[in-house]
Amino acid sequence: GAVVSQHPSRVICKSGTSVKIECRSLDFQATTMFWYRQFPKQSLMLMATSNEGSKATYEQGVEKDKFLINHASLTLSTLTVTSAHPEDSSFYICSAARGVAYEQYFGPGTRLTVT
Amino acid sequence: GQQVMQIPQYQHVQEGEDFTTYCNSSTTLSNIQWYKQRPGGHPVFLIQLVKSGEVKKQKRLTFQFGEAKKNSSLHITATQTTDVGTYFCAGRPLAGGTSYGKLTFGQGTILTVHP
Repeated sequence: GAVVSQHPSRVICKSGTSVKIECRSLDFQATTMFWYRQFPKQSLMLMATSNEGSKATYEQGVEKDKFLINHASLTLSTLTVTSAHPEDSSFYICSAARGVAYEQYFGPGTRLTVT
Repeated sequence: GQQVMQIPQYQHVQEGEDFTTYCNSSTTLSNIQWYKQRPGGHPVFLIQLVKSGEVKKQKRLTFQFGEAKKNSSLHITATQTTDVGTYFCAGRPLAGGTSYGKLTFGQGTILTVHP
């Protein structure tokens, strides 16, 4: 099966700092990666769609200057939360797919806590 | 935009009882996927339904896709404690629109199984 890793699994940072989260597809080439955010006991909310070699497409209400996404290779996408605030604390999950219409494989998630 | 409603939000059952969660989309779907998320874990793909009226079974789990491709259900027969978790449906819109490829997740049904 397809394996997607995420790093770090947990991170605590101070307000105003930036945090980078990596999402890697370990055994397949992911043309498309998705970034989701999940609050406790809530559903997954799509933040952005990332295609290798092109700019990410952000969902309405998601600030692209705050959540920087880079998809430089077919196996790696990164999400950088810039100038983090406590309200950015959440569970961030990435998923990877061979293409935009293919099955998505989810990473284990990153729990971000901003103090 | 597309909305996916899922009910119930919570379900508590005794071990051995059956469980069903329902999913309804505001628009016709290309396909629907079901995921299970264990407490503290990430979503794990269970199945994808593509055809109108499709029914698929995985051991004690039965998945159905409505004739109009706007609703779906997941039924678990004789629940076990290992079935505990949140079950999400996720709908993919029809091809051709700007949302093609994106999954819209339902709110999830949190299943608790009492031994």
